[in-house]
Amino acid sequence: KAGVTQTPRYLIKTRGQQVTLSCSPISGHRSVSWYQQTPGQGLQFLFEYFSETQRNKGNFPGRFSGRQFSNSRSEMNVSTLELGDSALYLCASSPLGAGELFFGEGSRLTVL
Amino acid sequence: QQQVKQSPQSLIVQKGGISIINCAYENTAFDYFPWYQQFPGKGPALLIAIRPDVSEKKEGRFTISFNKSAKQFSLHIMDSQPGDSATYFCAAKTAEYGNKLVFGAGTILRVKS
Repeated sequence: KAGVTQTPRYLIKTRGQQVTLSCSPISGHRSVSWYQQTPGQGLQFLFEYFSETQRNKGNFPGRFSGRQFSNSRSEMNVSTLELGDSALYLCASSPLGAGELFFGEGSRLTVL
Repeated sequence: QQQVKQSPQSLIVQKGGISIINCAYENTAFDYFPWYQQFPGKGPALLIAIRPDVSEKKEGRFTISFNKSAKQFSLHIMDSQPGDSATYFCAAKTAEYGNKLVFGAGTILRVKS
């Protein structure tokens, strides 16, 4: 069974630009969560989607948004990028509404 | 209240030794406590998890000990191997918040051969 797939794996953007990251969950998993990982703040929850609905949201500004499609694939978008948005963005999928989470390898975003 | 405090920040263990990482929490609504292992350049991988109705869970060389009254849980890695060298994260969540995991700060484990 294929794992969680995230694209792109690496990207470089400049301040003020926007970025869209994609996540394909494990087949059959309906819940997709997004996390930001930085050396200073560690792993922080961004949001969770379940059956195309945002179920939970972390403490991030409105520049961070996401969506989930009918096939459970998810995208997250960060607008007006800031230097502090440089991070590893991790997607995790789960087969149930509140079960085990399986992470992808992440998308490493560098903002210059 | 949503924090999970993890210690130590880093740990060096001799090959064959026992690695012990501890976590403490405040929110008594937490009902699921996983441990993740992360290698450089990779995403976190689920190692083992426990629910509060169990005091200990063992999978191979990995054991979680859970103390509900003290609001603490720990990961023990028996017979530690150089291949176990990685960053370990404890986490917790409540059913109320779906799959929102609250992570500890992480422990960098180095196993010396």
